[in-house]
Amino acid sequence: DTAVSQTPKYLVTQMGNDKSIKCEQNLGHDTMYWYKQDSKKFLKIMFSYNNKELIINETVPNRFSPKSPDKAHLNLHINSLELGDSAVYFCASSQESGASTDTQYFGPGTRLTVL
Amino acid sequence: QQQVKQSPQSLIVQKGGISIINCAYENTAFDYFPWYQQFPGKGPALLIAIRPDVSEKKEGRFTISFNKSAKQFSLHIMDSQPGDSATYFCAASMVDYKLSFGAGTTVTVRA
Repeated sequence: DTAVSQTPKYLVTQMGNDKSIKCEQNLGHDTMYWYKQDSKKFLKIMFSYNNKELIINETVPNRFSPKSPDKAHLNLHINSLELGDSAVYFCASSQESGASTDTQYFGPGTRLTVL
Repeated sequence: QQQVKQSPQSLIVQKGGISIINCAYENTAFDYFPWYQQFPGKGPALLIAIRPDVSEKKEGRFTISFNKSAKQFSLHIMDSQPGDSATYFCAASMVDYKLSFGAGTTVTVRA
């Protein structure tokens, strides 16, 4: 059983398009995250949701909008895609928000390529 | 601003050798220091973690050394194997705060 799953795994699209990435976790966790990993492998947190409520919103262009229909799902919608959005996007989840010892469980990633 | 500084960016080690990755932090409020391992094409996964009241933690061939006064910690991979080839991220966390990752170290173990 996959703990944190993402779809699609690969996404190739033209500049200016709008696209979505879906994430689901079956771990029963309360908190979910989106990270962006650039070509140098640096991991940057974008958003965090706890029980469907936004708790972390880093300095991310407002073209990026997360949506959490329930605590097992956190989707990422990106409007007007730009070349600089090309990266690998990881979804993650953890048991509870706020505990420093929480382990984050990452999905397999979605490689977004903007042409 | 990166809260956790990690070095080196990459390293190559022979099979059976020791890999050492170093990290440093400034914020003394951090109270948990995990290491994540990422294989190509996969998401990061927790490898080992330590609290600052412990100076060393060992799990199999992986050891974290922690120096609270210097605000530094390191990962040692003993008897490195080709299967250890991956990118390693140190991180730091505290209550009610996001996990801060280092920039990552790509380890290549040559057979």
